[in-house]
Amino acid sequence: NAGVMQNPRHLVRRRGQEARLRCSPMKGHSHVYWYRQLPEEGLKFMVYLQKENIIDESGMPKERFSAEFPKEGPSILRIQQVVRGDSAAYFCASSPPGASPNEQFFGPGTRLTVL
Amino acid sequence: QKEVEQNSGPLSVPEGAIASLNCTYSDRGSQSFFWYRQYSGKSPELIMFIYSNGDKEDGRFTAQLNKASQYVSLLIRDSQPSDSATYLCAVTLSGGSYIPTFGRGTSLIVHP
Repeated sequence: NAGVMQNPRHLVRRRGQEARLRCSPMKGHSHVYWYRQLPEEGLKFMVYLQKENIIDESGMPKERFSAEFPKEGPSILRIQQVVRGDSAAYFCASSPPGASPNEQFFGPGTRLTVL
Repeated sequence: QKEVEQNSGPLSVPEGAIASLNCTYSDRGSQSFFWYRQYSGKSPELIMFIYSNGDKEDGRFTAQLNKASQYVSLLIRDSQPSDSATYLCAVTLSGGSYIPTFGRGTSLIVHP
């Protein structure tokens, strides 16, 4: 049973480019959460999605960031016109329907570096 | 602003000692409390969760919760060098939200 998968594991972008981060939840999990971890800081919640629905995006920056979880395929976190301050580790977690946080499982993360 | 506070450390303990990690939170409505371990360059891994006041033990780990004082702690007995990592405290609020708020983490170093 594969765990949460994220790709790419490392992503390098120049300022102004777009970054697309993908997350495939564990089998049977329909809930996806995205977190960002800046250097020397804790995890910050960004967005919570279910299939075809954004449930809570209170942690998403108002501009340049968007997320989706289509009916088919992985969840995508998109960052447009990246800036150096976007350099961070982005983690995805998934859980089955109705789960409590102790049932969230994290993926290995995507480390974004903006040059 | 609801916050979770941790001493960033590093906390250095000798092998075999008890490591004590502490976390305070600001929202009295907090319901669920979690400890994650994160090795450098890796993803967080849940090691303990606790919902009720008191102690909860799992192997070498004990979580302690005191809602009146708004703190939760993690004790690691017989610390091993492999326990060296950053430990993240996370808290969820009342009202059905399952989104945890994380502290910045405490770096633990267990030296031989």
